[in-house]
Amino acid sequence: QKEVEQNSGPLSVPEGAIASLNCTYSDRGSQSFFWYRQYSGKSPELIMSIYSNGDKEDGRFTAQLNKASQYVSLLIRDSQPSDSATYLCAVNHPYNQGGKLIFGQGTELSVKP
Amino acid sequence: DAGITQSPRYKITETGRQVTLMCHQTWSHSYMFWYRQDLGHGLRLIYYSAAADITDKGEVPDGYVVSRSKTENFPLTLESATRSQTSVYFCASSGAGAGGYTFGSGTRLTVV
Repeated sequence: QKEVEQNSGPLSVPEGAIASLNCTYSDRGSQSFFWYRQYSGKSPELIMSIYSNGDKEDGRFTAQLNKASQYVSLLIRDSQPSDSATYLCAVNHPYNQGGKLIFGQGTELSVKP
Repeated sequence: DAGITQSPRYKITETGRQVTLMCHQTWSHSYMFWYRQDLGHGLRLIYYSAAADITDKGEVPDGYVVSRSKTENFPLTLESATRSQTSVYFCASSGAGAGGYTFGSGTRLTVV
């Protein structure tokens, strides 16, 4: 079982819709969770972090964490074509060994005008 | 300029040559990391460092060497480049053990 799993996509949504990106992780020792956005040919950019169960909102983005289910998600409201990118879920290494993050393989999102 | 910078942006080298990729950050972040990103494999950790003079292996360290004599620099050396090391290499830094990373802009390395 992969440590951090994401659907590879592509996930295609129409402009203005809600895009829902999902991520599961295998180790209950993980405490920090991150979403990165990566445009084609660019480096990953941190867009959300979440540490507690529940929802965290930042503009059009909402991160959701459920530690009991070992599940973290990212919702993008009012999706725009500029949101088209690959979204990487990252989880801190269990017991925070050396600050390392474990990345999922990413979900490609395509927002159609 | 503040931030994390990688050089060169692009590099073509021949099999068997030694090549060094540079990474410099201006935040005095304790943690620094080297990843490679390949289609089908995602981001894979090569080496990381918790502080100056403290480095440790990641998931795919074979064929790579790192050093960290100063907090701000974390160079990655391919001792004898192989075609399988053709990849995009990202350096990242983090100021706290539980925080997210900031990535550099990457180096696209081609080994011919």
